[in-house]
Amino acid sequence: EDKVVQSPLSLVVHEGDTVTLNCSYEVTNFRSLLWYKQEKKAPTFLFMLTSSGIEKKSGRLSSILDKKELFSILNITATQTGDSAVYLCAPSHGQNFVFGPGTRLSVLP
Amino acid sequence: DAGVIQSPRHEVTEMGQEVTLRCKPISGHDYLFWYRQTMMRGLELLIYFNNNVPIDDSGMPEDRFSAKMPNASFSTLKIQPSEPRDSAVYFCASSFSLNYGYTFGSGTRLTVV
Repeated sequence: EDKVVQSPLSLVVHEGDTVTLNCSYEVTNFRSLLWYKQEKKAPTFLFMLTSSGIEKKSGRLSSILDKKELFSILNITATQTGDSAVYLCAPSHGQNFVFGPGTRLSVLP
Repeated sequence: DAGVIQSPRHEVTEMGQEVTLRCKPISGHDYLFWYRQTMMRGLELLIYFNNNVPIDDSGMPEDRFSAKMPNASFSTLKIQPSEPRDSAVYFCASSFSLNYGYTFGSGTRLTVV
């Protein structure tokens, strides 16, 4: 059965801190992994990772995938209160994606 | 582009009633997905379509749930009869290709009392 584990499940930091969110997975027919940010409503797309070891960056966010060890990390540097959200990872399983439970990040001013 | 459009935004209904949720995907996106999100179970895939054809409906909870996509710009998710345990946020998402990420709609918050 497919399994996606995200850690920590919840995290509280102060503005300016750097955080690392973890996602480990066991899925069949893996091809890629997605990261999403969910604030109050719909998840919004952050990254798609398909190759091991190649870091993707977008501003203060970056992510990398390790297909051998079956995990991905999402880094956020110099956190801001606007980064407060649930961060979801979703490895592909065949033709669709399986979402993890998410990490709830709270950034305090 | 207006993005993925879902309606209604909120729905409150009594147990036993029929509920219909609607979705308009992004134009040109060949894939459409229906997800359900609850605190207990997170985001769960219910069904997805490719070129209006249902591909995988293994996530549909039971026969009370049905989904259709009569054309490339419209899909419905119907629950008949609804039950309190169906209360959740239902998201529709679309994608250009399975090699790209999904774009989610704003969701429909369903409450069955």
